[in-house]
Amino acid sequence: GAVVSQHPSWVICKSGTSVKIECRSLDFQATTMFWYRQFPKQSLMLMATSNEGSKATYEQGVEKDKFLINHASLTLSTLTVTSAHPEDSSFYICSGRRGPSTDTQYFGPGTRLTVL
Amino acid sequence: ELKVEQNPLFLSMQEGKNYTIYCNYSTTSDRLYWYRQDPGKSLESLFVLLSNGAVKQEGRLMASLDTKARLSTLHITAAVHDLSATYFCAAADGTASKLTFGTGTRLQVTL
Repeated sequence: GAVVSQHPSWVICKSGTSVKIECRSLDFQATTMFWYRQFPKQSLMLMATSNEGSKATYEQGVEKDKFLINHASLTLSTLTVTSAHPEDSSFYICSGRRGPSTDTQYFGPGTRLTVL
Repeated sequence: ELKVEQNPLFLSMQEGKNYTIYCNYSTTSDRLYWYRQDPGKSLESLFVLLSNGAVKQEGRLMASLDTKARLSTLHITAAVHDLSATYFCAAADGTASKLTFGTGTRLQVTL
């Protein structure tokens, strides 16, 4: 159990366009979802935390108007990279957590974004 | 702010050898996670350590947690090539329950 999927697994887009990445918890309800970004050969950096039905909390240095996060249901969160630029190219990983009483996160397979 | 450091950053070892990866964290945290990441893939959960003195073992990997020293270790016994991957530790922030990841240790096991 505790499977998280992401779609798409990879995407290539032109500079200036917007890209939406979906994160779904397939067999559990994720009251909280997290979005991470990982540059090549680096660690995971938390971008934002989203709780179902409320606005996401962004980490310092992450532009909320550029990285739009929506957590409309207990099984779906989306990350939209608006007006993407080549420096946004990265590996984006989401995770879901069942509830506030645990900090165990279940990670999705990741989405590789390449902006030309 | 919770900070997590790992060392070494890169480890090349021969098959059959033993080695330990260290994970230090800066503030109080009593939940420590270890993950494995293969190239181009996401994270695979290895261990969850929830209390001081916790020790968990799975195959050739053994993880331990010393909350007083703010140190966790991942010990590799008789390494095999299949263990080649990047290993991350992550400590939980007690109040926000966010995970802060370590720098990662890239392990290369040579034949």
